Amino acid sequence: DGGITQSPKYLFRKEGQNVTLSCEQNLNHDAMYWYRQDPGQGLRLIYYSQIVNDFQKGDIAEGYSVSREKKESFPLTVTSAQKNPTAFYLCASSLGQGGVGELFFGEGSRLTVL
Amino acid sequence: SQQGEEDPQALSIQEGENATMNCSYKTSINNLQWYRQNSGRGLVHLILIRSNEREKHSGRLRVTLDTSKKSSSLLITASRAADTASYFCATPNSGYSTLTFGKGTMLLVSP
Repeated sequence: DGGITQSPKYLFRKEGQNVTLSCEQNLNHDAMYWYRQDPGQGLRLIYYSQIVNDFQKGDIAEGYSVSREKKESFPLTVTSAQKNPTAFYLCASSLGQGGVGELFFGEGSRLTVL
Repeated sequence: SQQGEEDPQALSIQEGENATMNCSYKTSINNLQWYRQNSGRGLVHLILIRSNEREKHSGRLRVTLDTSKKSSSLLITASRAADTASYFCATPNSGYSTLTFGKGTMLLVSP
């Protein structure tokens, strides 16, 4: 079945450690996105990529990094520079530009910093 | 940058009742979308309404869009316990490259 797979579902990290969240899609979508969700908050955009080897910062990119070496994959690294990384992270993809069509979401990765 | 704001923040109803959620936004858009999120899960797209549409239906869902008031509403008719979830409106950013989501309405439908 086509869809978006995020892994791991749960992740625990010690302060000062970098951690990478995986996002893979087999929908043949050009665009991919990373959002962060905190309790009682909406989704905030971290990074997005409209094409392979290109990506743009979203509203809260500080302390995060991404790569887009393959169309299917858009991993997110939460670095030690991110001051408050505990959150629910959601990856999404869209066939065209994200502002004109439907976004397809993965099931999310919950990161907890100990 | 928060574009859409949902109202109310939380809504509690009985099965069989209708649920109405509202979304207000600030700048001109060419479409508005509604998504649903079950607790601890990813978001699922419900419906997209374009700026030249006033109303759109999908099953028990009815969405309206009033571009003059910069507002939209989502009506779920004959609610079921399985409709318990958070509902988000989403609007395009100025370049139409991404979506901006509101904080959502938490809907609780009791049996």
